[in-house]
Amino acid sequence: DTEVTQTPKHLVMGMTNKKSLKCEQHMGHRAMYWYKQKAKKPPELMFVYSYEKLSINESVPSRFSPECPNSSLLNLHLHALQPEDSALYLCASSQDRRDTEAFFGQGTRLTVV
Amino acid sequence: GENVEQHPSTLSVQEGDSAVIKCTYSDSASNYFPWYKQELGKRPQLIIDIRSNVGEKKDQRIAVTLNKTAKHFSLHITETQPEDSAVYFCAASKTGGFKTIFGAGTRLFVKA
Repeated sequence: DTEVTQTPKHLVMGMTNKKSLKCEQHMGHRAMYWYKQKAKKPPELMFVYSYEKLSINESVPSRFSPECPNSSLLNLHLHALQPEDSALYLCASSQDRRDTEAFFGQGTRLTVV
Repeated sequence: GENVEQHPSTLSVQEGDSAVIKCTYSDSASNYFPWYKQELGKRPQLIIDIRSNVGEKKDQRIAVTLNKTAKHFSLHITETQPEDSAVYFCAASKTGGFKTIFGAGTRLFVKA
């Protein structure tokens, strides 16, 4: 299984809502990532988990809250988002060394209204 | 920190022609250079990668070259086909760094 699975595929939420994005992989990878991608831009790193511990937080606003319940799952909790947070949110995973291939999920298209 | 520059931002070629995309990086410690292809509405997918101990790597119609001294690497696509049309991202990272720095992307159009 070389898949990273993200749910939901699409999400529309109001600025007062609380929602969660989910990501799952069964490749035994110990590093998992959240990226944000705006249209016509490269993926922008948000968070990195290594062995279920948060390793990198790229100064992301606290309205985004990551969680890694176990080595296969990664969540991103969303609360009080702004319209400018609308984007494609990509999850990825890799072996623990960061010079190996990262597998991306298909992403969640988020629209904040 | 690392910075990756990518050129051109848009590239249009005729089917069957070759396409070349160039990237430069700033951190001499970077030692892994993947290339991702992203079709419209889809996930980035690795198409080829190269490590700093190798100067060139080829996989069918795709090749990547690396010049460590000049800190630049290039993607070469030969005999382009319409299905090669996509956005291509170069990237750089280093062992244990956990950060992959992406170039801004090149939108490739292959005209039939």
